[in-house]
Amino acid sequence: DAGVIQSPRHEVTEMGQEVTLRCKPISGHNSLFWYRQTMMRGLELLIYFNNNVPIDDSGMPEDRFSAKMPNASFSTLKIQPSEPRDSAVYFCASSLTAYGYTFGSGTRLTVV
Amino acid sequence: KQEVTQIPAALSVPEGENLVLNCSFTDSAIYNLQWFRQDPGKGLTSLLLIQSSQREQTSGRLNASLDKSSGRSTLYIAASQPGDSATYLCAVCGRTSGTYKYIFGTGTRLKVLA
Repeated sequence: DAGVIQSPRHEVTEMGQEVTLRCKPISGHNSLFWYRQTMMRGLELLIYFNNNVPIDDSGMPEDRFSAKMPNASFSTLKIQPSEPRDSAVYFCASSLTAYGYTFGSGTRLTVV
Repeated sequence: KQEVTQIPAALSVPEGENLVLNCSFTDSAIYNLQWFRQDPGKGLTSLLLIQSSQREQTSGRLNASLDKSSGRSTLYIAASQPGDSATYLCAVCGRTSGTYKYIFGTGTRLKVLA
């Protein structure tokens, strides 16, 4: 199994541009999570899905952030328009049960 | 709302020392607790998972304990090595709407000096 796959690994964009981060969970996992990691705030849970349905998006910082999971093998996190304060590492994780998450390698986003 | 705190925020020790990392959480209604390791610029690697009914788990030089009633967990690293240098994150798992989700502490940055 290739694990949780995130793309791109690095993204540099200009303020105001739309950014789309992608995640492919482990096959068979039914829960998917998006986290954001910064030095100041650590790892923050943004949104999570169970069986492709968004369960809790209370961690999404603003309306500029949106996430979708059109099927069990793909999810996107979109930021539109992007701002410099969105610069962070965004992680996707998936799980089948509470026996731990598997994390992707993350996407390092820099908004200039 | 669950809050997870890790102390110390950073730790520097000479090689060979035994050390303890601390994690505390405010809501004792947890399903399990997991310790992760994160190397600079990398993702998270799971080290140990303790179910709420367990008191401790061991893997090699690592031992994690859990006292759910007091809201505390410790990660004990024996005979530390420079390769142990990383950030260690504690995460507690609760269940909401049929989904298990983890809330993370801010981590302890460990540096083991050769």
